[in-house]
Amino acid sequence: DVKVTQSSRYLVKRTGEKVFLECVQDMDHENMFWYRQDPGLGLRLIYFSYDVKMKEKGDIPEGYSVSREKKERFSLILESASTNQTSMYLCASSSPRGLNTGELFFGEGSRLTVL
Amino acid sequence: AQSVTQPDIHITVSEGASLELRCNYSYGATPYLFWYVQSPGQGLQLLLKYFSGDTLVQGIKGFEAEFKRSQSSFNLRKPSVHWSDAAEYFCAVGAGNQFYFGTGTSLTVIP
Repeated sequence: DVKVTQSSRYLVKRTGEKVFLECVQDMDHENMFWYRQDPGLGLRLIYFSYDVKMKEKGDIPEGYSVSREKKERFSLILESASTNQTSMYLCASSSPRGLNTGELFFGEGSRLTVL
Repeated sequence: AQSVTQPDIHITVSEGASLELRCNYSYGATPYLFWYVQSPGQGLQLLLKYFSGDTLVQGIKGFEAEFKRSQSSFNLRKPSVHWSDAAEYFCAVGAGNQFYFGTGTSLTVIP
């Protein structure tokens, strides 16, 4: 069965802390994505990656960075967390044919609270 | 620019009643269209997708959607809603190398 696993379902961090959100997929997908979900705003793309060591900015990259050292793993990094980064973070992956024709497979989400 | 509009933020229906969730998109080329469902505290699950061909597509859990090019719409329907259908529903467009999502419609089902 297809699986995207996000390491932490719930995190509570303090302002200024460095935060790592990890995502692993077992489908050998080339493409991986990080979205942020907020009420009334839907899903907004933070970063995406088409291959190992490659990354592209999405719509709201400010305050975030990513790392893709292995094909199956895509990490989202908040260098210095702020309260306005309190949100639900969703990781997703897709196959190359799924760039715009296939589907995204989502993890269960990581709910981050920054105090 | 690509965009997806879900005009209904929240819908309440009685169990057994029919359902239609609206989705309008803006995209210059032939769109690739998706409906996803999100149960509370969970990630998103694909309900159905449209790439080409028959404009009426069937999905999981008894859902269907109809692509209407003239109206730039891809509305989701279900003839008889079950209490377990209560969730948030997202319409999405695949454009270029990205996916664009609507803001979602929250569905409440009354017993």
